[in-house]
Amino acid sequence: GENVEQHPSTLSVQEGDSAVIKCTYSDSASNYFPWYKQELGKRPQLIIDIRSNVGEKKDQRIAVTLNKTAKHFSLHITETQPEDSAVYFCAVTGGFKTIFGAGTRLFVKA
Amino acid sequence: SAVISQKPSRDICQRGTSLTIQCQVDSQVTMMFWYRQQPGQSLTLIATANQGSEATYESGFVIDKFPISRPNLTFSTLTVSNMSPEDSSIYLCSVELRVGDTQYFGPGTRLTVL
Repeated sequence: GENVEQHPSTLSVQEGDSAVIKCTYSDSASNYFPWYKQELGKRPQLIIDIRSNVGEKKDQRIAVTLNKTAKHFSLHITETQPEDSAVYFCAVTGGFKTIFGAGTRLFVKA
Repeated sequence: SAVISQKPSRDICQRGTSLTIQCQVDSQVTMMFWYRQQPGQSLTLIATANQGSEATYESGFVIDKFPISRPNLTFSTLTVSNMSPEDSSIYLCSVELRVGDTQYFGPGTRLTVL
């Protein structure tokens, strides 16, 4: 079955710096790659996603890149702000099942 | 998107008892799921709730322990049976508006078993 690895598990950056989180997956048939943000005590919420026919997608300070050949995709957050502090989960969907990465706890220091 | 509510939001239960968690969606959806999230951990899929048929359980989860109902396209329940302290966790329902697409999560139910 699908295997998703997410790195790093913890990331600490200074406000204004960039943050990059990377996920790798194993099933080449996977075709949908969302990223979720979960603030403390809240539900996970979609922040950006990418489909297998696209290499990059950007939404303001957030971007996702996908390399289908290498089977990895990354979340990029630029000009980080304290409110970006949260846990970020990548996910991989192929068919009827979604597998979540282990999560990255991002700390943005003011 | 979808508006999803869960009841109860939290509960403290005694070991050996059972708790039923409800998930209500504001629109008809085909796919509904139940997840468990232990403190500081990722989301683990318990089962897919199928309307009109038995739920599809993931490895490590069984119907006797986590019976699921899905009477229609807007509602589902998850029961945690014969609870032990190891069942203490957050339980979340989620839905997909289209198969294999974005998941929208309920607010979660925080369960503590003493």
